[in-house]
Amino acid sequence: DTQMTQSPSSLSASVGDRVTITCRASQSVARYLDWYQQKPGRAPNLLIYTASTLQSGVPSRFSGSGSETDFTLTISSLQPEDSATYYCQQTFSVPYTFGQGTKLEIE
Amino acid sequence: QITLKESGPTLVKPTQTLTLTCTFSGFSLNTRGVGVGWVRQPPGKAPEWLALIYWDDDKRYSPSLKTRLTITKDTTRNQVVLIMTNMDPVDTGTYYCGHRPKYSSGWLDPWGQGTLVTVSS
Repeated sequence: DTQMTQSPSSLSASVGDRVTITCRASQSVARYLDWYQQKPGRAPNLLIYTASTLQSGVPSRFSGSGSETDFTLTISSLQPEDSATYYCQQTFSVPYTFGQGTKLEIE
Repeated sequence: QITLKESGPTLVKPTQTLTLTCTFSGFSLNTRGVGVGWVRQPPGKAPEWLALIYWDDDKRYSPSLKTRLTITKDTTRNQVVLIMTNMDPVDTGTYYCGHRPKYSSGWLDPWGQGTLVTVSS
């Protein structure tokens, strides 16, 4: 299985800050890396797929980059509603493994 | 608008078999490339991918759970069923189904609201 490691596990930032979350794969996943946002008691919501494609309806302050083993999710200007846990997932090879999550809190 | 909803027992005993049903609308599992997947999430932990079924009845399973899982579809009823045998307390969690668009590499969007399954005697 491909192991996905996110960093940091948690972070706190202020409204308007630029925030970056990283995801590292234990082996190459090409660009088959997706990002989800999950709020308490809700299902994960797709933000970005194939490393950098913004899902329809997702605010443009979210962006993704990377390839092979190293990926980043960036929020350009943090908003209060961005408080959530973020997960990366590789969809290169079965099983489609998730990272352990990054909990983002707004200061 | 695509919607999915999971249904099934909220409590199962160890060693029992779990049967979950995903009922969906807004798409057809007869459409080339489309699929439905299942993901579970233990309380306070990351999601875990379980299985996926495609429009052509091709199936993919998590290798670590493959011997315990069966995924089937009923296109006339717009349902996908996941069966998990020999349930254990570590299988406790919220189980989600999700729509796999035809252009997806495997990601799901949207997901159902999830159903919490507790395994306890």
